[in-house]
Amino acid sequence: AQKITQTQPGMFVQEKEAVTLDCTYDTSDQSYGLFWYKQPSSGEMIFLIYQGSYDEQNATEGRYSLNFQKARKSANLVISASQLGDSAMYFCARDTGFQKLVFGTGTRLLVSP
Amino acid sequence: EAQVTQNPRYLITVTGKKLTVTCSQNMNHEYMSWYRQDPGLGLRQIYYSMNVEVTDKGDVPEGYKVSRKEKRNFPLILESPSPNQTSLYFCASSLELAGLRTGELFFGEGSRLTVL
Repeated sequence: AQKITQTQPGMFVQEKEAVTLDCTYDTSDQSYGLFWYKQPSSGEMIFLIYQGSYDEQNATEGRYSLNFQKARKSANLVISASQLGDSAMYFCARDTGFQKLVFGTGTRLLVSP
Repeated sequence: EAQVTQNPRYLITVTGKKLTVTCSQNMNHEYMSWYRQDPGLGLRQIYYSMNVEVTDKGDVPEGYKVSRKEKRNFPLILESPSPNQTSLYFCASSLELAGLRTGELFFGEGSRLTVL
């Protein structure tokens, strides 16, 4: 099954601290992509970061980095220096090669002052 | 401004009353798809389209229809809505499959549908 697992339904972090959101995936494919999206309370889906399975380096986009451990099939999102505006739902996803993304169930992050 | 536009954003309807959620993109994207989001289940693909007149089922197509008569539009049709179709719906588009590989999947703002 093309399953994405996010085991943390909710996470709390204080402003300016770093936080790691976990994501593991099933696959027997050699080539695939992993994604993280942010969904604020307003509901829209915002693309954060992408990691290709053949990329040798972990992806980074500003304060976001993806800790990719291929052998463990994990693709954790690291947010450095959390801000209040980071409070949102975060979804991990991977492409399946069948024209779609498969999403995890999401992790709700709450950043406190 | 590049965008994916969905309408309506919010809708409350009753069981059996046909409705259409429109989706339009202004980026000349070939690939479009519909997802539904339910608590505890994440987003699941309903249908997708690789180009005009080319559509195919996703993971949860039951109770839905789509059409792709023009490149920019990809409406989602609920012929006879039922309460289990109460959900948050997202339309998404990308230039092509390669775009999907780099994360360039553009989402609409979502349409929250309630079926009573």
